[in-house]
Amino acid sequence: EVQLVESGGGLVQPGGSLRLSCAAYGLTLSSYWMSWVRQAPGRGLEWVANINQDGSEKYYVDSLKGRFTISRDNARNSLFLQMNTLRAEDTAVYYCARRAITVTTYDYYYYIDVWGKGTTVTVSS
Amino acid sequence: DIQMTQSPSSLSASVGDRVTITCRASQSISSYLNWYQQKPGKAPKLLIFAASILQSGVPSRFSGSGSGTDFTLTISSLQPEDFATYYCQQSSSTPPFTFGPGTKVGIK
Repeated sequence: EVQLVESGGGLVQPGGSLRLSCAAYGLTLSSYWMSWVRQAPGRGLEWVANINQDGSEKYYVDSLKGRFTISRDNARNSLFLQMNTLRAEDTAVYYCARRAITVTTYDYYYYIDVWGKGTTVTVSS
Repeated sequence: DIQMTQSPSSLSASVGDRVTITCRASQSISSYLNWYQQKPGKAPKLLIFAASILQSGVPSRFSGSGSGTDFTLTISSLQPEDFATYYCQQSSSTPPFTFGPGTKVGIK
């Protein structure tokens, strides 16, 4: 069974740091772009960051640049999100996700086809 | 950045109804548009990618259409398990890969 399992969430004080991990089972992460997506309580989905297969390309939502860092360890089949200088507004469920691709005759399309169950981050004093 | 909007933000419908949700991009994204379904306390689930391609295993009552800036998700005959929140997401080559604000489909 294909699974992504996040860990590392918890309660942290404002200004603190957390490192989220995502372990993959039944799939080889090194073949895929990967993403982090978050969802604040009662709110919609927010794309956080993407990383390519070898970690040489990374993209972030502008509002998080400089505070969050996405990385991966393909040997450990794992994805990470380092979160620094955390704020109350970073409180959310953080999802690890696989970004798959379909290539057609004329184009290629990316989409998230595998999601973890999420890990909850609460930033509060 | 490309902004995504959805309408309506919520709707009430009955089992068997035809439901249509609209998603609009602030600039053309060709067919780089995905639709997801999310139920409370669960991770999202991919329904449609490339605006109109049904993900494997998704019931055929779901369909997507559109290109450029205007897109539609249609549920041809609403089933009890379809009551959920639906999100569109732009997947063009330009980040951020923004999600729409969501449309909650509730029971009338």
